Amino acid sequence: AQSVTQPDIHITVSEGASLELRCNYSYGATPYLFWYVQSPGQGLQLLLKYFSGDTLVQGIKGFEAEFKRSQSSFNLRKPSVHWSDAAEYFCAVGARQAGTALIFGKGTTLSVSS
Amino acid sequence: DAGVTQSPTHLIKTRGQQVTLRCSPKSGHDTVSWYQQALGQGPQFIFQYYEEEERQRGNFPDRFSGHQFPNYSSELNVNALLLGDSALYLCASSFTSGGYNEQFFGPGTRLTVL
Repeated sequence: AQSVTQPDIHITVSEGASLELRCNYSYGATPYLFWYVQSPGQGLQLLLKYFSGDTLVQGIKGFEAEFKRSQSSFNLRKPSVHWSDAAEYFCAVGARQAGTALIFGKGTTLSVSS
Repeated sequence: DAGVTQSPTHLIKTRGQQVTLRCSPKSGHDTVSWYQQALGQGPQFIFQYYEEEERQRGNFPDRFSGHQFPNYSSELNVNALLLGDSALYLCASSFTSGGYNEQFFGPGTRLTVL
């Protein structure tokens, strides 16, 4: 079955501390992986994506993610969290073909404490 | 460059009614996908339209239908509304001829069914 698991429902991080959000996937074909962020009452904003090549990808807002095929993981990291990073984060997997369905995890809520 | 736009922003309906949601894709995009995001969950794929035809469909009943117009905009129709249809409905656009599955999301329409 195709699925995405985000094991952490809610994470609290102190401002300035590092962050890692976990994502594991199960997908029958070559996976194309995404991280999206959603602020309250808003749509989804693409943080970064992995299609091929270098397994460490850089995104917007200082985020990065590392694709590990052997572990079926695509964890999101940020070295220093800002209060404005508080939001819901979703990991998604899909096929390469443009526009095919994305399968999302249930999300991780990030709270940032001062 | 306008991104993906959706209307209306919020909608309140009663059980048994019908609703139509609208989406305009990002400039240059030709494919529209619709997702349902229930409270506390990740988005779930409903269906996708390309060249005015439904190209792919998720596990949603026939009460959910759609349309794509020649200008690539799209509508999502839901008949015989149930309480469980209350959710944020997200539209995502992409460029099929671009080759890569990068989807840009709109702000969503919040549907409440009473």
